[in-house]
Amino acid sequence: NAGVMQNPRHLVRRRGQEARLRCSPMKGHSHVYWYRQLPEEGLKFMVYLQKENIIDESGMPKERFSAEFPKEGPSILRIQQVVRGDSAAYFCASSHRVADTQYFGPGTRLTVL
Amino acid sequence: GDSVTQMEGPVTLSEEAFLTINCTYTATGYPSLFWYVQYPGEGLQLLLKATKADDKGSNKGFEATYRKETTSFHLEKGSVQVSDSAVYFCALNFGNEKLTFGTGTRLTIIP
Repeated sequence: NAGVMQNPRHLVRRRGQEARLRCSPMKGHSHVYWYRQLPEEGLKFMVYLQKENIIDESGMPKERFSAEFPKEGPSILRIQQVVRGDSAAYFCASSHRVADTQYFGPGTRLTVL
Repeated sequence: GDSVTQMEGPVTLSEEAFLTINCTYTATGYPSLFWYVQYPGEGLQLLLKATKADDKGSNKGFEATYRKETTSFHLEKGSVQVSDSAVYFCALNFGNEKLTFGTGTRLTIIP
């Protein structure tokens, strides 16, 4: 009964490179959420996806960030041309179709040098 | 918009002390309310939740009651342990929508 899985757990990138973060939701969950936690801050919502659809991306920066949740495979959060300010912990959560509880993965800690 | 206000930390208590972490919210309607806990270097774990007024969520000795009249969801524990040291987040949402989090309260329990 695996929980939400994220990989990699730690990711180091140099400025200008691309970062790809992966999230596999809990079995049976079709809703995926991405949150960002800056150092010493709470979590901020980024994007909410269902299979093949972006439902709410109101928290996504307008440039360089994108997310997808294909029919097969994990959800991907992609950050192009990373900058130092992108350094943060990125958490994925998933929920069941009709439930309101979100279960979180262990996070990916991105460091931009 | 919706918001959650948490008691600012850090909070330091001695083992077996009584714990209260205050949480109030502002929302249109009646959200579900949550407490999540984050241990060092880990992701968030759901600690407890309440989905309607006067509901009491409880888990691992922690409790919180959904108070509609005061728009609050304070976290309490009668006797804390060193292993309770973590960051605690209060949050709300509506249905399957995004969670809105408070800023978190860092709790340290000393033996």
